[in-house]
Amino acid sequence: KQEVTQIPAALSVPEGENLVLNCSFTDSAIYNLQWFRQDPGKGLTSLLLIQSSQREQTSGRLNASLDKSSGRSTLYIAASQPGDSATYLCAVSSNTGKLIFGQGTTLQVKP
Amino acid sequence: NAGVMQNPRHLVRRRGQEARLRCSPMKGHSHVYWYRQLPEEGLKFMVYLQKENIIDESGMPKERFSAEFPKEGPSILRIQQVVRGDSAAYFCASSRKDRGANSPLHFGNGTRLTVT
Repeated sequence: KQEVTQIPAALSVPEGENLVLNCSFTDSAIYNLQWFRQDPGKGLTSLLLIQSSQREQTSGRLNASLDKSSGRSTLYIAASQPGDSATYLCAVSSNTGKLIFGQGTTLQVKP
Repeated sequence: NAGVMQNPRHLVRRRGQEARLRCSPMKGHSHVYWYRQLPEEGLKFMVYLQKENIIDESGMPKERFSAEFPKEGPSILRIQQVVRGDSAAYFCASSRKDRGANSPLHFGNGTRLTVT
């Protein structure tokens, strides 16, 4: 049974700092891995999708890496801003598109 | 291009009543997923539907919960005889699938169900 774990559960950093969020999964037979952002009371916004054959994806200040063999992914956020404050969710996908989510990392960026 | 639309945004029901949650997928999307987010918990998969078919309902509680995605109209998640433990945020997501399982899922803003 696939399990996804995110560390840390919460993180508080000063504005401008670079930071790394971690995600691990127990079954390496994944189709892809997605990182999402969730703001309080809102839905999920897809940030990055990494296919199982890829090692990383980049979008602006965000970079996500995937190491399937070790069951790990990281989300790197460069030059963090207060507007980055949110909960970040990692999810792995089976071949049907069904996503298994981690518990999330709640990030607070202080001005 | 409207995103995934869920309604209502907030729903209050008394114990024993029925709750109906609606989801209209993005235009051109024929695959719908329902997820539940309990307070202080992560998102849990409930059911995956294509038009007129339930593909995977492994996350659905065995009783009181049902889902449909008819040929015409939105997908409906129905909860009969609600109990306080059903209070949660229910999210719908849709995808195109013409690029296989690598089509990213697009989520709605959710329906927040409160059972009193």
